[in-house]
Amino acid sequence: SAVISQKPSRDICQRGTSLTIQCQVDSQVTMMFWYRQQPGQSLTLIATANQGSEATYESGFVIDKFPISRPNLTFSTLTVSNMSPEDSSIYLCSAPTGQNNEQFFGPGTRLTVL
Amino acid sequence: QKEVEQNSGPLSVPEGAIASLNCTYSDRVSQSFFWYRQYSGKSPELIMSIYSNGDKEDGRFTAQLNKASQYVSLLIRDSQPSDSATYLCAVRSGGFKTIFGAGTRLFVKA
Repeated sequence: SAVISQKPSRDICQRGTSLTIQCQVDSQVTMMFWYRQQPGQSLTLIATANQGSEATYESGFVIDKFPISRPNLTFSTLTVSNMSPEDSSIYLCSAPTGQNNEQFFGPGTRLTVL
Repeated sequence: QKEVEQNSGPLSVPEGAIASLNCTYSDRVSQSFFWYRQYSGKSPELIMSIYSNGDKEDGRFTAQLNKASQYVSLLIRDSQPSDSATYLCAVRSGGFKTIFGAGTRLFVKA
């Protein structure tokens, strides 16, 4: 499977600010996924990042709050905008990089909003 | 609404025992099934995938799939304390979108 990296690995931010998380895959992939995982909870899909078109957002998530870019087949960014303490979570990037399109995950970005 | 259901646990087993983790899913046309292991503070790691009815073995892990019952399980033989983690069941029906269960916490007692 391909290697998926994320930056930053963690950050502490003030409320009202924005943070952009980067995800890099070392091979070309059709789709990239952004998840949120709050402490002790399972994965919640935020959106699917499609190359060359708008991201597809899940119910409860909107583009104004979580704008996504997908400039090419190996890279995507997720921005968490106008942050509040409720946005404190781990944000995970994922892509179907396995031989049978199994999903693999990046190491995650741990975000704390004060 | 497609769903994947797991018992949240914790499931506690003694070292050396068999741990049995279970999962049911709602979408009958599901085609691909996965088990991920997630250690605390880490991202999910794919440990098994299964696509057809029956058993699939990989080392100490065996995945079992029964599409008629919409049931998939993971057996861990000779459980070790290092197996203590949350195990996520995941199901894909078509395309690339994968639905994840909430996970079962496993605790292996030394």
